[in-house]
Amino acid sequence: DAGVTQSPTHLIKTRGQHVTLRCSPISGHKSVSWYQQVLGQGPQFIFQYYEKEERGRGNFPDRFSARQFPNYSSELNVNALLLGDSALYLCASSFNSNQPQHFGDGTRLSIL
Amino acid sequence: GIQVEQSPPDLILQEGANSTLRCNFSDSVNNLQWFHQNPWGQLINLFYIPSGTKQNGRLSATTVATERYSLLYISSSQTTDSGVYFCAVAPPGTASKLTFGTGTRLQVTL
Repeated sequence: DAGVTQSPTHLIKTRGQHVTLRCSPISGHKSVSWYQQVLGQGPQFIFQYYEKEERGRGNFPDRFSARQFPNYSSELNVNALLLGDSALYLCASSFNSNQPQHFGDGTRLSIL
Repeated sequence: GIQVEQSPPDLILQEGANSTLRCNFSDSVNNLQWFHQNPWGQLINLFYIPSGTKQNGRLSATTVATERYSLLYISSSQTTDSGVYFCAVAPPGTASKLTFGTGTRLQVTL
């Protein structure tokens, strides 16, 4: 069975641009969460979606938004990119909100 | 929010040695997971262990929920065990909102 898949694997953007990152959960998983990991730190929670509804939001500015589609895949959007948005963005899926999470390989975003 | 502390922050071992990594957390949890992040950034599930003891090959983990700590044991370490080990927890009702510790960076040498 395929694990959590994320695309693209790497991305380079400039300040002020916007970016869309994509995530496909493990088949049968209905919950998708997004995390940001800057160099040298542990991942930080950004959003959780379950059954296409936002169920949790971390301490991130409104420039960050996300959505979940009927097939449970998800997009993370970041507008007006800043240098500090450079990070590894990780997507995780679980069967429901009370089950362990499984992570994808991430999208490495670099802002120039 | 919940606080997660991991110790030690760094660990260097010779191949074949054993080690114990510790995770302390500040509140009741419904979810506790241990992960290994390899040098390529992949975050690999090791254990889902909100309480009790589990073993998987050379790795085992114990969580004492009433005392708010978890331990990860690595026996007969190999160079492929190198990387960063993270403990992540979530309070009741929010199992998908993990709070990660700062990690233990392990280097296994020949």
